[in-house]
Amino acid sequence: DIVMTQSPSSLAVSAGETVTINCKSSQSLLYSGNQKNYLAWYQQKPGQSPKLLIYWASTRQSGVPDRFIGSGSGTDFTLTISSVQAEDLAIYYCQQYYDTPYTFGAGTKLELK
Amino acid sequence: QVTLKESGPGILQPSQTLSLTCTFSGFSLSTYGMGVGWIRQPSGKGLEWLANIWWDDDKYYNPSLKNRLTISKDTSNNQAFLKITNVDTADTATYYCARIGPTVATFAYWGQGTLVTVSS
Repeated sequence: DIVMTQSPSSLAVSAGETVTINCKSSQSLLYSGNQKNYLAWYQQKPGQSPKLLIYWASTRQSGVPDRFIGSGSGTDFTLTISSVQAEDLAIYYCQQYYDTPYTFGAGTKLELK
Repeated sequence: QVTLKESGPGILQPSQTLSLTCTFSGFSLSTYGMGVGWIRQPSGKGLEWLANIWWDDDKYYNPSLKNRLTISKDTSNNQAFLKITNVDTADTATYYCARIGPTVATFAYWGQGTLVTVSS
């Protein structure tokens, strides 16, 4: 199985700050056939279902604000949230869909400082 | 508008079989490249992928559940199903179904989830 390691596990921020969440996979998620990274980011607020933010490592899902930026390739990926707003407080998960079993990171909880 | 909704028994006893239904609208599971997956989340914990079924009836399972899973679909009624045999307390979780594809190859649309509790 591909192991997804997220860091940090929690992050306390003030509104307006820029935050970075890291995700490392145990093997490359870059498929040579199409040069795409099979990595997604989700946001989950309390009591809600996960919401897809980013796929192909850097493509924003329709309707996602442009302050959410995905980057990285191969085994190292980053989700950057610029100018954090109160509505961004949630748990963020990375997920690989390069191979089954699909696997998720353990999550990063974004909290208010 | 794409919607998915899970339904299940709510509570069941150890060793029973859990049957879950995902009823969806706004897309068809007969469309090329379309799929539905099941994911679960114990309370306060992370996400675990369980299984996917695709438009062509291709199926993939998480081997960690050791052949306890069966996924199926009813295309004409816009439903997908998941059965988990021989449940125990570790299967207590919120179960989600989600749409995959055809252009986004991962879980772009999720249901609200259904809580399943296994207890004697």
